Amino acid sequence: EAEVAQSPRYKITEKSQAVAFWCDPISGHATLYWYRQILGQGPELLVQFQDESVVDDSQLPKDRFSAERLKGVDSTLKIQPAELGDSAMYLCASSPQGGWGNTEAFFGQGTRLTVV
Amino acid sequence: KQEVTQIPAALSVPEGENLVLNCSFTDSAIYNLQWFRQDPGKGLTSLLLIQSSQREQTSGRLNASLDKSSGRSTLYIAASQPGDSATYLCAVFTGNQFYFGTGTSLTVIP
Repeated sequence: EAEVAQSPRYKITEKSQAVAFWCDPISGHATLYWYRQILGQGPELLVQFQDESVVDDSQLPKDRFSAERLKGVDSTLKIQPAELGDSAMYLCASSPQGGWGNTEAFFGQGTRLTVV
Repeated sequence: KQEVTQIPAALSVPEGENLVLNCSFTDSAIYNLQWFRQDPGKGLTSLLLIQSSQREQTSGRLNASLDKSSGRSTLYIAASQPGDSATYLCAVFTGNQFYFGTGTSLTVIP
């Protein structure tokens, strides 16, 4: 069964260091999302791609976060410099392009980031 | 902005009980609603997808209903098992993005 792949699964980094996460969506899925989930809360959207273009990055802290999806396939989310408050689960999701009612999100296993 | 609320935040039941989890949303202009399961430290697993034109969806012991006009959805779990212990999240799709509730943490006691 096709899955959204994310790596690494866990990352511990010191504050002020740079960190990067990678996501490979389900093949053929045009839409890719990065969500951040703080412990005990629901996921919140950071950035949304349609193919290689950013559709929504209004919640992305652009002074330290960046995201790209070169060639419209896999994607990288970077944080530089990391802060203690960035400790969270970073989730990648993809969805196929289709009828809106049928738009279903498929999530990866996430990257658990701990900033010390 | 769409606000999604889940009640209760936590629930503990003995094995074998039937239970209901609730999800409410403030803007009824949604395309679909999705229920997810999340195990500790893991990603989200999709359980059920209900399109806005549908009233309910069933998968095994799970049944989800949707009342779009009142902004409510329920997830019914029949004959609960210890393996059902997890956090259950609902999310609504507005055509732009998915908005999530904060989840209900379920513990099924053997």
